[in-house]
Amino acid sequence: SQTIHQWPATLVQPVGSPLSLECTVEGTSNPNLYWYRQAAGRGLQLLFYSVGIGQISSEVPQNLSASRPQDRQFILSSKKLLLSDSGFYLCAWSVTSRGEKLFFGSGTQLSVL
Amino acid sequence: GESVGLHLPTLSVQEGDNSIINCAYSNSASDYFIWYKQESGKGPQFIIDIRSNMDKRQGQRVTVLLNKTVKHLSLQIAATQPGDSAVYFCAEKGGYNKLIFGAGTRLAVHP
Repeated sequence: SQTIHQWPATLVQPVGSPLSLECTVEGTSNPNLYWYRQAAGRGLQLLFYSVGIGQISSEVPQNLSASRPQDRQFILSSKKLLLSDSGFYLCAWSVTSRGEKLFFGSGTQLSVL
Repeated sequence: GESVGLHLPTLSVQEGDNSIINCAYSNSASDYFIWYKQESGKGPQFIIDIRSNMDKRQGQRVTVLLNKTVKHLSLQIAATQPGDSAVYFCAEKGGYNKLIFGAGTRLAVHP
C-alpha cells in the first residue's frame, strides 16, 4: 500500500533562518506531488505541485520554493523565513494529474518567531 | 471566478443524530467533488468523492449528495459519533485539474 511521510511534525524557526521540509511517498511510482499551506482555522492553499522529477509549478508568489530531486521526494524550502510563513504545511500525492483524490501527509506545524 | 464555500462554519450535534454539512460551489462546469475530514493537528483524510454524472453516492455511514441545479453539495453522516468531531472540507476540481478547497465546517458531537 502507498504511504506518505512528512517531517518534521513541528518546527520553530527564527525570522530570517532557512527552511527545508521533506516529503516522501512509498508504494507508488511517478506520483503527482503537492505542497499546501493551511493558516489556523482556514482552508488549504495550494503552493506548489509537481508532475515529475524537476517539474515544479508555483501557484502563488511567495517566499518559498519547491524541488523534486527524486521521483517520490518533494522538498519545500526557503532561504529566509518571514513571520507570515507560519502555518501548517501539508504534502499530498495523487495517482494521476486529473486533480482528484489527493492523499495527505500528517503535516508540519511551522512557527516563525 | 471559481469558489467553494460552506454555509455553516460550526455544526453542533448530539451523539447518535444524523449530521448534514453543506457546501456551495460556483463553477457549474466542475465535474468532480470530494469531502475530507481533518482532525486537529493532522492531515486531511479522504471521506468520499462524487462525479457530476451522479446525484448521490454512499459510503460507510456517509452519503454525499450533489444538486447541480443549485450548485450544492452536502455530506450526510448517519448516527454521528464522538470520533466524527473534526473539520470537514469540501473541494471541487477547478481549472488545470486543481482541487479548490472550501474554508471548512467544524463538526462538534456532544454526548
